[in-house]
Amino acid sequence: EPEVTQTPSHQVTQMGQEVILRCVPISNHLYFYWYRQILGQKVEFLVSFYNNEISEKSEIFDDQFSVERPDGSNFTLKIRSTKLEDSAMYFCASRGGGLARTYEQYFGPGTRLTVT
Amino acid sequence: GNSVTQMEGPVTLSEEAFLTINCTYTATGYPSLFWYVQYPGEGLQLLLKATKADDKGSNKGFEATYRKETTSFHLEKGSVQVSDSAVYFCALAKYTGGFKTIFGAGTRLFVKA
Repeated sequence: EPEVTQTPSHQVTQMGQEVILRCVPISNHLYFYWYRQILGQKVEFLVSFYNNEISEKSEIFDDQFSVERPDGSNFTLKIRSTKLEDSAMYFCASRGGGLARTYEQYFGPGTRLTVT
Repeated sequence: GNSVTQMEGPVTLSEEAFLTINCTYTATGYPSLFWYVQYPGEGLQLLLKATKADDKGSNKGFEATYRKETTSFHLEKGSVQVSDSAVYFCALAKYTGGFKTIFGAGTRLFVKA
């Protein structure tokens, strides 16, 4: 069964450093997402991406964040200058296209980001 | 705006007990509704879904019915097992420019042997 994969599973970085989190969505999917979950809290939407551009973003997704689909298979989230409060689990998700009303998204296993 | 409210946990049950986790939503139109499960140290797995009013989603003994009149999607299981111990998230998805999923706060379930 196809699945979303994410690398690395755990990233430790120092405050102020740049990090890139990587995701490989399901191959025929067209919509891509990033969410984050601060430890013990709810899962929060960050950004959605379709047709090589951001289609929606939350207030959390400020100028420190960017997303990119550098090739036909990867989808990345970059945080330019990490802060302590960026420590969280980051989930990538993808969704198929077409007229399906399910809106069902398939989630990756997550990357745990620890900022020290 | 669109939102999901679910009962606070933790919920502690003995094995074979009946489980209900309440979930209500606020949204215009007809969102799709989901339950996701997160086992300790793992990611989010889709447990079940429903896309229109009166649909019943079911999987692994869990069920939830999309109730438009009460804007609810309560999760139920007739007989829980220790292996069901996890965090359960109720969620909705609706087109708001990007088909994002909005999650409830999660309910932690502990099942004792």
